[in-house]
Amino acid sequence: GPKVLQIPSHQIIDMGQMVTLNCDPVSNHLYFYWYKQILGQQMEFLVNFYNGKVMEKSKLFKDQFSVERPDGSYFTLKIQPTALEDSAVYFCASSFRLGGYAEQFFGPGTRLTVL
Amino acid sequence: GDSVTQKEGLVTLTEGLPVMLNCTYQTIYSNAFLFWYVHYLNESPRLLLKSSTDNKRTEHQGFHATLHKSSSSFHLQKSSAQLSDSALYYCALRNNYAQGLTFGLGTRVSVFP
Repeated sequence: GPKVLQIPSHQIIDMGQMVTLNCDPVSNHLYFYWYKQILGQQMEFLVNFYNGKVMEKSKLFKDQFSVERPDGSYFTLKIQPTALEDSAVYFCASSFRLGGYAEQFFGPGTRLTVL
Repeated sequence: GDSVTQKEGLVTLTEGLPVMLNCTYQTIYSNAFLFWYVHYLNESPRLLLKSSTDNKRTEHQGFHATLHKSSSSFHLQKSSAQLSDSALYYCALRNNYAQGLTFGLGTRVSVFP
């Protein structure tokens, strides 16, 4: 079936550094998402992106976070600067439709460790 | 805000026995769209099945669930568990205004021979 890829699978960085997480969504999908899952907690929605703009974001999407997808390349989540509480698994998802029963396809996640 | 509760953190059972995973939800909005995702180790979470209209059963790959708005529930069931069903199962909710999904904590299912 359709696959979402995420690069890298693991990333370890020092607190205060910048990190970019990359997502290669399903090719004909139009809507893109990031979710964050801290160890032992539920997956939580961060942001929804469409046509170059953030459509919806949660309280977890701090000012240090940004997303973009320049010219159909990777959909990225940038954290600058990172904090200890940013350590989590970040899942990217994409969908062709929006809302209702629209299926979101997930990537395998990037495990981010901030030291 | 919205919330999803999966009361079992771990379910262990013997192959061939029935399994039921509980999912209840809360939302102030009139429409609730419920999903079950299955997450195998080292793979991506993938959609297992999604709700339909109130009190209508949906089925996929031997699993079934029925949305009951009266009890705000969408329990996942299978009549006979297989070894390959061992995985993490997430219940998720979307209301009619949000695009992001609200997830439960997940239930880990371990099926033994």
